[in-house]
Amino acid sequence: KAGVTQTPRYLIKTRGQQVTLSCSPISGHRSVSWYQQTPGQGLQFLFEYFSETQRNKGNFPGRFSGRQFSNSRSEMNVSTLELGDSALYLCASSLLESTEAFFGQGTRLTVV
Amino acid sequence: KNEVEQSPQNLTAQEGEFITINCSYSVGISALHWLQQHPGGGIVSLFMLSSGKKKHGRLIATINIQEKHSSLHITASHPRDSAVYTCAVTSIQGAQKLVFGQGTRLTINP
Repeated sequence: KAGVTQTPRYLIKTRGQQVTLSCSPISGHRSVSWYQQTPGQGLQFLFEYFSETQRNKGNFPGRFSGRQFSNSRSEMNVSTLELGDSALYLCASSLLESTEAFFGQGTRLTVV
Repeated sequence: KNEVEQSPQNLTAQEGEFITINCSYSVGISALHWLQQHPGGGIVSLFMLSSGKKKHGRLIATINIQEKHSSLHITASHPRDSAVYTCAVTSIQGAQKLVFGQGTRLTINP
């Protein structure tokens, strides 16, 4: 069974640009959540989607958005990139909202 | 004060030693997770607990709901266990999917 797949693995963008990251959950999983990991702040929750609906949202500005498609694949978008957005962005999928989460390898975003 | 506190933040031990990492939380939870991340690697979910104890190979995780405390134990530690171990909780009160501790960086020397 394939794991959680995130693309791309690495990305370099310049300030002011926007970026879209993709996450394909484990087959059959309907819940996808996104996290940001930085050396200073550690792991922080961004948002969670279940059956195409955003269920929860963390304390991030509106520049961070996401969506989930009918096949449970999810994308997150960051607009007007700032240097501080440089981080490892992790996606996790779970069968249902309250079951064990399985993490992808992450997308390392560098903003220059 | 963080909702999830781990100790120690850094731990260095010799191969073969018994390792304990502690996690305390201050919110009501539906589950507690232990995660492992090797340097440069992704995150692996080791355990998800809502009560009692779970064991997988040399790893044991326990949780005491009344005391709001969990421990991760590693028996017969090995250099390949060197990683960051993070405790995370699914809070029943907040909007966040997972609330994370700050992580414990474990180094096992041969």
